[in-house]
Amino acid sequence: QVHLVESGGGVVRPGMSLRLSCAASGFTFSDYPMHWVRQAPGKGLEWVAVISSGGNNEYYADSVRGRFTFSRDTSNNTLSLQMNSLRAEDTAVYYCARDSPVTGGAFDIWGQGTVVTVSA
Amino acid sequence: IVMTQSPDSLTVSLGERATINCKSSQTVLYSSINKSYLAWYQQKPGRPPKLLIYWASTRESGVPDRFSGSGSGTDFTLTISSLQAEDVAVYYCQQYFATPITFGQGTRLEIK
Repeated sequence: QVHLVESGGGVVRPGMSLRLSCAASGFTFSDYPMHWVRQAPGKGLEWVAVISSGGNNEYYADSVRGRFTFSRDTSNNTLSLQMNSLRAEDTAVYYCARDSPVTGGAFDIWGQGTVVTVSA
Repeated sequence: IVMTQSPDSLTVSLGERATINCKSSQTVLYSSINKSYLAWYQQKPGRPPKLLIYWASTRESGVPDRFSGSGSGTDFTLTISSLQAEDVAVYYCQQYFATPITFGQGTRLEIK
């Protein structure tokens, strides 16, 4: 069964760092680009970043570029999102999601999410 | 690319048709293959989004056939032909034609 499981969320103060992880199972991890999407409390979905299947290309939303770094470890089937200089507006549920070539790039599998709260 | 959904909320009786619209600020049609890079997602409270429709009109495996998508280029519609109680959710359109990938603001669907 295909699964994505996020971890690493928590409560941090503005300016601090946090590292999120996403563990993938049930599919050939190295075949798929992967994304992070976040959702602030009571708000809509905001795309955060994408990483290529090979891990050599990333692209970020303007709101996080220069502060967040997306990486993947194919040997462990895991994704990481290093979040630095966190701001109150980064408070959200963070989802990892699979980009499926079958769909042309829509997100066919999502994790359950991990909650990040940035508060003084 | 800015995605704009209408309406923001919708109340429909059980068994009736529900229609949600989505408009993109520029085309998401890849003309060489005649496919629009537009997806629809359903999100229930406390749950992650679920893919319903991709390429504007292709139903994801396992999605009931009462859900259908239509449109091309910049104007799209999600239709639920006969609303069921379990369809209460927020629905989002998404363009994946270009990065940054963008979502509509969401449409909340409730039962009358």
